[in-house]
Amino acid sequence: QKEVEQDPGPLSVPEGAIVSLNCTYSNSAFQYFMWYRQYSRKGPELLMYTYSSGNKEDGRFTAQVDKSSKYISLFIRDSQPSDSATYLCAMSGGTGGFKTIFGAGTRLFVKA
Amino acid sequence: GAVVSQHPSRVICKSGTSVKIECRSLDFQATTMFWYRQFPKKSLMLMATSNEGSKATYEQGVEKDKFLINHASLTLSTLTVTSAHPEDSSFYICSARSPQHQNQPQHFGDGTRLSIL
Repeated sequence: QKEVEQDPGPLSVPEGAIVSLNCTYSNSAFQYFMWYRQYSRKGPELLMYTYSSGNKEDGRFTAQVDKSSKYISLFIRDSQPSDSATYLCAMSGGTGGFKTIFGAGTRLFVKA
Repeated sequence: GAVVSQHPSRVICKSGTSVKIECRSLDFQATTMFWYRQFPKKSLMLMATSNEGSKATYEQGVEKDKFLINHASLTLSTLTVTSAHPEDSSFYICSARSPQHQNQPQHFGDGTRLSIL
């Protein structure tokens, strides 16, 4: 079993839709959770960073962490064509130490 | 703005050439930098962890003599692909993390697309 599982998609939605991206993980010791956005032929860009459980909102983006279920989510409201990219979840901390474990990434297409 | 700068962004060269890629942290001193390789439509594969003033730590299966890493200062790490061959063609990405907060997220460069003919 991989430490972090993420559906690679692709996920295709119409403009304006609410997008839900998810990851599950197996190491209950993870404490720090991140979402990165990667455009084609570019490096990943940090979108959201949360510690432990709970929600964090930044503009159209909301990150949720449910440690009891080992499940994290990223919601994108009012999705735009410019949101089309690959979204990678990542996590670190606890017995995993400071090493960051990345999900496989979900490819998102937002159609105009 | 960008906190990690990577150069060059694109390299095309002949088989047998050695290629050097630079990674610079712009806003902070990074005692640790990371080098990743990414194949098309695949996730990041950690190649090695670059430690300032000491030897890099390579992941299993990564040839240290093939991928030379030098972290000579707190703001610069270099990856040299020695005697590159077509199978080394890939997207190489570096990242850095502030040493004061080891659980802070990594910040990535924009990557280097390497094509070996």
